[in-house]
Amino acid sequence: QSALTQPASVSGSPGQSITISCTGTSSDVGGYNYVSWYQQHPGKAPKLMIYEVSNRPSGVSDRFSGSKSGNTASLTISGLQAEDEADYYCISYTSSSTRIFGGGTKLTVL
Amino acid sequence: EVQLVESGGRLVRPGESLRLSCAASGFTFSHHAMSWVRQAPGKGLEWVSSISSSGSFKYSADSLKGRFAISRDNAKNSLYLQINTLRAEDTAVYYCARDLWPQYYFDYWGQGTLVTVSS
Repeated sequence: QSALTQPASVSGSPGQSITISCTGTSSDVGGYNYVSWYQQHPGKAPKLMIYEVSNRPSGVSDRFSGSKSGNTASLTISGLQAEDEADYYCISYTSSSTRIFGGGTKLTVL
Repeated sequence: EVQLVESGGRLVRPGESLRLSCAASGFTFSHHAMSWVRQAPGKGLEWVSSISSSGSFKYSADSLKGRFAISRDNAKNSLYLQINTLRAEDTAVYYCARDLWPQYYFDYWGQGTLVTVSS
């Protein structure tokens, strides 16, 4: 099974908003509301940012939001800050009871 | 405080076997599913395997089935990953993560342990 499709890179200036897409199929992203997003800084472990498509764990800034339409999930970061520069990964539950990650997106804050 | 500490990673030769461990603390280990995720150098995250709280249900990536085996010992608050017939492409940092079922997300991660497969 191929990885979910994410853009390799996105960029934005401080204060702007960016959106990272995560495209799968009806057997994963489109079939379940079990998409989560993780932020990873270089040399660090991933950190949960969004779960079940649009839920934000306590402690995560409300500048981070998630949504889904059809087979594509999205992570939006508003009011971009320098510390948001990192790699972002989506992951979905699948119809085979497995999980599949996206290829990852490198966010650059200009 | 939830803590997950992986161990067991080292330099191994192709064809050898290795068992990774993850020691959990700060929560009731036996109440939670757990998972392994790996990341090759400079590459993205790859889900490896998940196991239910009791250990009765196990799921693994199709590409890894047969060489990777997940297990747990709830009495020791420990998660394990047995990797057989190691290949160069198994070189990666291996993370353990607490897995929330049935919502299927990872809320806590360890810092990872590095496995290097090279002759």
